[in-house]
Amino acid sequence: DAGVIQSPRHEVTEMGQEVTLRCKPISGHNSLFWYRQTMMRGLELLIYFNNNVPIDDSGMPEDRFSAKMPNASFSTLKIQPSEPRDSAVYFCASSLVGGAYEQYFGPGTRLTVT
Amino acid sequence: GQNIDQPTEMTATEGAIVQINCTYQTSGFNGLFWYQQHAGEAPTFLSYNVLDGLEEKGRFSSFLSRSKGYSYLLLKELQMKDSASYLCAVRSGGGATNKLIFGTGTLLAVQP
Repeated sequence: DAGVIQSPRHEVTEMGQEVTLRCKPISGHNSLFWYRQTMMRGLELLIYFNNNVPIDDSGMPEDRFSAKMPNASFSTLKIQPSEPRDSAVYFCASSLVGGAYEQYFGPGTRLTVT
Repeated sequence: GQNIDQPTEMTATEGAIVQINCTYQTSGFNGLFWYQQHAGEAPTFLSYNVLDGLEEKGRFSSFLSRSKGYSYLLLKELQMKDSASYLCAVRSGGGATNKLIFGTGTLLAVQP
């Protein structure tokens, strides 16, 4: 079975450009999470969805970040405009709804903003 | 506030046993997870504790004390491939809330 799929795996862009990261969760999973990981701050939750509905976006750093989940099999995280401090690895994870279920992480997108 | 503390780095010898500690202070508690993350890769699930006590899974065990806000991950018969970062994560909400708060991780180096 395919795991969580993310694209692109690497993205290099210039400051001010729009960046769109994509995620396909594991089929049947109804919770989806977007994380950002840096050496300084570790793994931070940005936003998560249950049944395609955003539940908690308190981790979204600012209005430049937005996330959507138009259906159960696809989600996007958009940064517009991008800044050098957004450089990080962005992970998407999915799980079943419910606290006992572990989250399965995708391979991540390494974003570099110059 | 929410706070999860782990040692930043640890070193151990192949074949030995190592214990990685995690203390937490969260506004609620509804389960604790341990994840393993190799360099350049995604985190992968290791264990889950919601009740006090020890959960054993092969070479890995995880312990939880809710009254002390404390957990540890025990790795036995260490192998070189166990060199990785180990992340402690707490679920603080109830019901359908499955948001996790992660610690910054403990980087374990296993030496020959």
